[in-house]
Amino acid sequence: EPEVTQTPSHQVTQMGQEVILRCVPISNHLYFYWYRQILGQKVEFLVSFYNNEISEKSEIFDDQFSVERPDGSNFTLKIRSTKLEDSAMYFCASSEGFAEAFFGQGTRLTVV
Amino acid sequence: AQSVAQPEDQVNVAEGNPLTVKCTYSVSGNPYLFWYVQYPNRGLQFLLKYITGDNLVKGSYGFEAEFNKSQTSFHLKKPSALVSDSALYFCAVRDEGNNFNKFYFGSGTKLNVKP
Repeated sequence: EPEVTQTPSHQVTQMGQEVILRCVPISNHLYFYWYRQILGQKVEFLVSFYNNEISEKSEIFDDQFSVERPDGSNFTLKIRSTKLEDSAMYFCASSEGFAEAFFGQGTRLTVV
Repeated sequence: AQSVAQPEDQVNVAEGNPLTVKCTYSVSGNPYLFWYVQYPNRGLQFLLKYITGDNLVKGSYGFEAEFNKSQTSFHLKKPSALVSDSALYFCAVRDEGNNFNKFYFGSGTKLNVKP
């Protein structure tokens, strides 16, 4: 069964460093998303992406964040200068259309 | 503004008893409604959806949900709970009025099924 794959599963980084979180969406999906979850609580929207453009982004997704689909299969989230409050579980998701999205297993980002 | 409310942080039920996890929503257009389940240290797993048609939808693992347009609700139900159903459940909505750009998630309900 096709699935969304995220790497790494866990990333520890020093405050101020850049991190890139990687995702391989399901191959025939056209819509991509990043969400994050802090301490297993609320699922927060970061950004949605379609046709090589950001469709919508949240207030969390400031100038320190960027997304890219570099090669037609990967979908990356970059945080340029990490802060302590960026520590969270980051989930990538993809959908074929406007119905359900499928989520990856997440990358746990720890900023120290 | 769009929102999803899950009024119960936690639901406790005995194994074999029916369970209900509540969800209400607010959108500007037609809603597409979803339930996801999350086990510890795992991603969100799709359970079921309502897009159109029959108000009662059935999904994975014996779960079902009923769309009620007048009450703007989409409660998750199961006739007989299992201990293995214990997990965190999220209700989500996509809004036609927002071009379906994203999922709005509720705050989650922890389901505890006791043997």
